[in-house]
Amino acid sequence: EAQVTQNPRYLITVTGKKLTVTCSQNMNHEYMSWYRQDPGLGLRQIYYSMNVEVTDKGDVPEGYKVSRKEKRNFPLILESPSPNQTSLYFCASSLSGGKGYEQYFGPGTRLTVT
Amino acid sequence: AQKVTQAQTEISVVEKEDVTLDCVYETRDTTYYLFWYKQPPSGELVFLIRRNSFDEQNEISGRYSWNFQKSTSSFNFTITASQVVDSAVYFCALSEAYIIQGAQKLVFGQGTRLTINP
Repeated sequence: EAQVTQNPRYLITVTGKKLTVTCSQNMNHEYMSWYRQDPGLGLRQIYYSMNVEVTDKGDVPEGYKVSRKEKRNFPLILESPSPNQTSLYFCASSLSGGKGYEQYFGPGTRLTVT
Repeated sequence: AQKVTQAQTEISVVEKEDVTLDCVYETRDTTYYLFWYKQPPSGELVFLIRRNSFDEQNEISGRYSWNFQKSTSSFNFTITASQVVDSAVYFCALSEAYIIQGAQKLVFGQGTRLTINP
């Protein structure tokens, strides 16, 4: 089944404790992206990757890191999480990074930082 | 700057009523794409439709229909004869490209929470 998977689905952590949210897709998609969803703000892009070893900042990259060493994986790293990073996170992928390609979203990761 | 506005934060209707969700966008691009996504209470994002800026034909899919009007920069979504299962948050989104990188940039509206009451 074609899908985007994220782990963990739920995470409660404390300020400053490094964490990684994994994202994997099995559709051989070139483009992958991370979004955060906050009430009243919709989804905002954190980082995106056009292909292996090609990543760039989205609209809200502060406090996050990403890497794309393999085509299928695009982990999101929070080196020192803070309470303002409490949010619902979505990973997405699409066949190409060109505009207009439909993005397939993972199930989401709900992160709480205390 | 590119922007998507969904002015209706919450809508509540009784089952079988028709309901329209508004979406207004701003963009510099002449070529762009518009999307609607549904987020049911389970939390996942479900793709509903994509429209490119050159195709202003309205689209109907079962009880769902979309009205795209470039003249008013709007891409509204109507559910006919609503059902309880339509209860969800609906997002309108605009896809254009980062100027330098050329990569797609998906900008979402704030979402409209639709509640269908039995």
